[in-house]
Amino acid sequence: AQKVTQAQTEISVVEKEDVTLDCVYETRDTTYYLFWYKQPPSGELVFLIRRNSFDEQNEISGRYSWNFQKSTSSFNFTITASQVVDSAVYFCALSEANFGNEKLTFGTGTRLTIIP
Amino acid sequence: GAVVSQHPSRVICKSGTSVKIECRSLDFQATTMFWYRQFPKQSLMLMATSNEGSKATYEQGVEKDKFLINHASLTLSTLTVTSAHPEDSSFYICSARVGGGGYNEQFFGPGTRLTVL
Repeated sequence: AQKVTQAQTEISVVEKEDVTLDCVYETRDTTYYLFWYKQPPSGELVFLIRRNSFDEQNEISGRYSWNFQKSTSSFNFTITASQVVDSAVYFCALSEANFGNEKLTFGTGTRLTIIP
Repeated sequence: GAVVSQHPSRVICKSGTSVKIECRSLDFQATTMFWYRQFPKQSLMLMATSNEGSKATYEQGVEKDKFLINHASLTLSTLTVTSAHPEDSSFYICSARVGGGGYNEQFFGPGTRLTVL
């Protein structure tokens, strides 16, 4: 069975600080996808990134960066120079890569609050 | 990018009534749509997977007679909460899948907040 653990329930940092959101996953599949989503107060999920299990390269997109460590089954997300607009709940998710069975398993989410 | 809409965005109903929520893929055809439920301050839990033209596959613990899913076309799936009760109050989110093979690209709708009085 798949499982995604986001141990940090809530995090608060002062604006402009860097913050890392942790994600640890469990799966028996050799091929899978990992995702991060942002959920602002409006409720709509915003897609941030998808990572294939075969691609362990870290990725940077503006102030966002992701560190995929297959050896520790972790897919951590870092926001540098945080801004108030980054305040949201962030979900890490896992999906099998088998066609027809691609349901997403979400972590419990981390509520990030950026203090002005 | 692909757009998924949900209607209504918010609904309040009396206990015992049925509520229908629509999920539409606006600019693409979705052979598969997923329905999730999110209770306040909790994660998204998959309720069912809906494939166009066939019966939905429900997750363990989800009552199929309570949550009726119809995926009549490649752009529309509906979730009907039958005889709703206060414990059904939740945020319901659908997603539509794009792509084939092992590529999993799901686009999420904006969600429907259901309040049952």
